[in-house]
Amino acid sequence: GNSVTQMEGPVTLSEEAFLTINCTYTATGYPSLFWYVQYPGEGLQLLLKATKADDKGSNKGFEATYRKETTSFHLEKGSVQVSDSAVYFCALSSGGYNKLIFGAGTRLAVHP
Amino acid sequence: EPEVTQTPSHQVTQMGQEVILRCVPISNHLYFYWYRQILGQKVEFLVSFYNNEISEKSEIFDDQFSVERPDGSNFTLKIRSTKLEDSAMYFCATEPGQRYGYTFGSGTRLTVV
Repeated sequence: GNSVTQMEGPVTLSEEAFLTINCTYTATGYPSLFWYVQYPGEGLQLLLKATKADDKGSNKGFEATYRKETTSFHLEKGSVQVSDSAVYFCALSSGGYNKLIFGAGTRLAVHP
Repeated sequence: EPEVTQTPSHQVTQMGQEVILRCVPISNHLYFYWYRQILGQKVEFLVSFYNNEISEKSEIFDDQFSVERPDGSNFTLKIRSTKLEDSAMYFCATEPGQRYGYTFGSGTRLTVV
C-alpha cells in the first residue's frame, strides 16, 4: 500500500543553518506530494505541494522537488530561523478520494 | 484568509459517553475529512465525505463513529461510546477540489477519562 517515510527527529540546528528533511514515498499511480507544518499547540498548515514529477513546491523559503526516479520529496531551506521550529509532516495523496497519508513527522528545533 | 473552524477546542468526557465534534468548513469547499493524531504519533486518516455521503473510511472508523452534515454548513464527527484510546487531537480538513490541498482546522483535543 501507499506509505511515507520521513527521517527521524528531532533535528536541532543553529539559526541560519541549512535544513534538509528527507522524505521518501511508496505509491501506486501518480500521487501528489505535500509538506505540512505544525507549530506548537496549533493545527496543520500546508507549507508546499507538488502534483507531478519534477515539480518544485516552494513557500516561505522552503523548497521541495518531486523526484519520481528516487521517489523522494525532500524539504530544504537555505537559512532557518528560530520561528521555523515546528513539526514537519510529509504527505501524499493518491486515488479517487484524495486521502492523505502522512509520514511520522520530524521535529525541528532551531536555536539562536 | 478563510478558515476551517472547529469546536470545542478541548473536550473532556467520561468513558462510554457520546461526543460530537463540530467543524465549519470553508464555504465553497466540497470535500471534507476527519483525521486524528494520538499524542506524539502520526496523523491518521479517519473518513472522507463528499456529496453528502462517506466516500472512504479507514479501519479506525468503526461502528462507533459517524459523520454527517446536518444543516449544509456544519460537518460533525460523532463517537457513540468513547473509549480511553479515543483520546487524541481530531482535525477536520476541507478542500474545494481533489488534490488542491487541504485547509485544516486547529483541532479538537478529546480527552477520555
